[in-house]
Amino acid sequence: EVQLVESGGGIVQPGRSLKLSCEASGFTFSHYGMNWIRQSPGKGLEWIAYITDGISYSYYAETVKGRCTISRDNAKNTLYLQMTSLRSEDTALYYCARSLVTGVLDAWGQGASVTVSS
Amino acid sequence: NIVLTQSPKSMSISVGDRVTMNCRASQNVNNNVVWYQQKPGQSPKLLIYYASTRYTGVPDRFTGGGYGTDFTLSINSVQAEDVAFYYCQRIYNFPPWTFGGGTKLELK
Repeated sequence: EVQLVESGGGIVQPGRSLKLSCEASGFTFSHYGMNWIRQSPGKGLEWIAYITDGISYSYYAETVKGRCTISRDNAKNTLYLQMTSLRSEDTALYYCARSLVTGVLDAWGQGASVTVSS
Repeated sequence: NIVLTQSPKSMSISVGDRVTMNCRASQNVNNNVVWYQQKPGQSPKLLIYYASTRYTGVPDRFTGGGYGTDFTLSINSVQAEDVAFYYCQRIYNFPPWTFGGGTKLELK
């Protein structure tokens, strides 16, 4: 069974950093592109980052470019999202998701909650 | 950037109804549209990709259609378990992969 389990969320002050993890199981992690998507409270979905399989090219939404870094450790079957200079508008539930094919998200984790507040 | 506009924002339906919701793209996206279902308190689930291809295990009462700028998601004989938000998404070879604002399906 495909499973994605996020961790690392919490309450953080504006301007600080946070690193989310997503541990994958039930499939060959290194063979799939992976994504981070967030959902602000009561709002819709926002794709924020994608990392390819293989050479690990990365792509970012303009709202997080320069402040977020997506990475992966295929030996540990784990996806990461390093977030810096956090703002109140980064408060959201952060999902990791697998790409079935480019952009099509066929497996999602349960989400990690991030609250940016002083 | 391409913008996806979903309508209506919400729909109240009865069990057994047929419903259709819409997703309009600001530019031609060919068939590069995906639909997801998000039930209350759950993560989104993939329903339809490439506009009309039903994902594995999705009941055949869900049907996607459209091409270019106008897309639809229809549900034949809605069940109580179909109460959810539905989101369309534009995909392509490279990001960004934008989502529409969602349609909320609720029971009367």
